Amino acid sequence: GAVVSQHPSRVICKSGTSVKIECRSLDFQATTMFWYRQFPKKSLMLMATSNEGSKATYEQGVEKDKFLINHASLTLSTLTVTSAHPEDSSFYICSARGQLEGEQFFGPGTRLTVL
Amino acid sequence: AQKVTQAQTEISVVEKEDVTLDCVYETRDTTYYLFWYKQPPSGELVFLIRRNSFDEQNEISGRYSWNFQKSTSSFNFTITASQVVDSAVYFCALSEVLNTDKLIFGTGTRLQVFP
Repeated sequence: GAVVSQHPSRVICKSGTSVKIECRSLDFQATTMFWYRQFPKKSLMLMATSNEGSKATYEQGVEKDKFLINHASLTLSTLTVTSAHPEDSSFYICSARGQLEGEQFFGPGTRLTVL
Repeated sequence: AQKVTQAQTEISVVEKEDVTLDCVYETRDTTYYLFWYKQPPSGELVFLIRRNSFDEQNEISGRYSWNFQKSTSSFNFTITASQVVDSAVYFCALSEVLNTDKLIFGTGTRLQVFP
């Protein structure tokens, strides 16, 4: 299967700082990337869908100015958590899809802890 | 509206027992995909199966088998002769093909297999 990487795998930051998480498709071009959030012992909740070269589509209740998503190339999408607060602490997972109706491939996730 | 229900939050079994994880879904579309993913303690989602709505044939892959019944909107997953390495959280998910393929996840079932 295709490989999706995320960096960093873990990050600890102070409240008020911004954190950038990268999601890369290593061996295919991802026309669409998805960002999910998972609280401990909870399910994955879709935050936003991004298509290369266009603005991300955010799910209801997700703050666009808080969670900035950029999908500047066919192999890279970034999620920036701006002015992070302790309640933003979570496990963030990206997925990438190479073609319409194709399978999504998931990254290994990034665990964010905001102190 | 789309919804995936996994009524079993936690299941504990002893090695070599068979175990079935239930999944019930709701969708208004006639075309959709159903998925099962495994999430071990490391956090990375492992794809297990994708089934489209037109294919009701049951599938078997080694110790894993899936029973898809459109009449009851269920897509149950059975592990036969369970092993300790099967311990993980298992998610059932739904995507509606015409809606950008975003995945709607169930709440997951935590399976613990004891030696």
